Amino acid sequence: QKEVEQDPGPLSVPEGAIVSLNCTYSNSAFQYFMWYRQYSRKGPELLMYTYSSGNKEDGRFTAQVDKSSKYISLFIRDSQPSDSATYLCAMSAVTSGSRLTFGEGTQLTVNP
Amino acid sequence: SAVISQKPSRDICQRGTSLTIQCQVDSQVTMMFWYRQQPGQSLTLIATANQGSEATYESGFVIDKFPISRPNLTFSTLTVSNMSPEDSSIYLCSVGGGRNQPQHFGDGTRLSIL
Repeated sequence: QKEVEQDPGPLSVPEGAIVSLNCTYSNSAFQYFMWYRQYSRKGPELLMYTYSSGNKEDGRFTAQVDKSSKYISLFIRDSQPSDSATYLCAMSAVTSGSRLTFGEGTQLTVNP
Repeated sequence: SAVISQKPSRDICQRGTSLTIQCQVDSQVTMMFWYRQQPGQSLTLIATANQGSEATYESGFVIDKFPISRPNLTFSTLTVSNMSPEDSSIYLCSVGGGRNQPQHFGDGTRLSIL
């Protein structure tokens, strides 16, 4: 079993839709949670960075962490065609230094 | 966040040869990392590049195959040695400010082996 499982997609939505991207994990030591966006032929770009449980909002993006369920989500409101990309969740534990464990990624297409 | 430049951006190489990938950062950073992203897959950490000491390799990756240099706080290289088609991948450099700080990535080197 992988330490981090991510909904594989691909996901296709109309412009303006609310998008929900999700990851589950098995390692209870994970305390730092990240979402990256990766456009084709580009490196991953950090979108959200959260510590422990709770919500964090940045513009149209909201990251949610539920450590009791070992479940994290990224919500995108009013989705735009420019949001079309692959979204990767990543996480790390205090004891692992800066070592990140990534999900497999979800490919999102927002149709105009 | 730091600006990270990788060279080359892409290359096509012959089987059995070696290629050195460079990663340059516009500010001093404590930690630098090298990842591999195989087609359609997620990122796998190869090693942590330590300034002034040997790199720390993850399980499944060895120094003879992926030698790494880190001569200062703004630069690192990854060499892919004795390449085979299985090494065709995207190789990414990332930097982080320290323990459990978010990592930022370069745009990667797209490597194809014939």
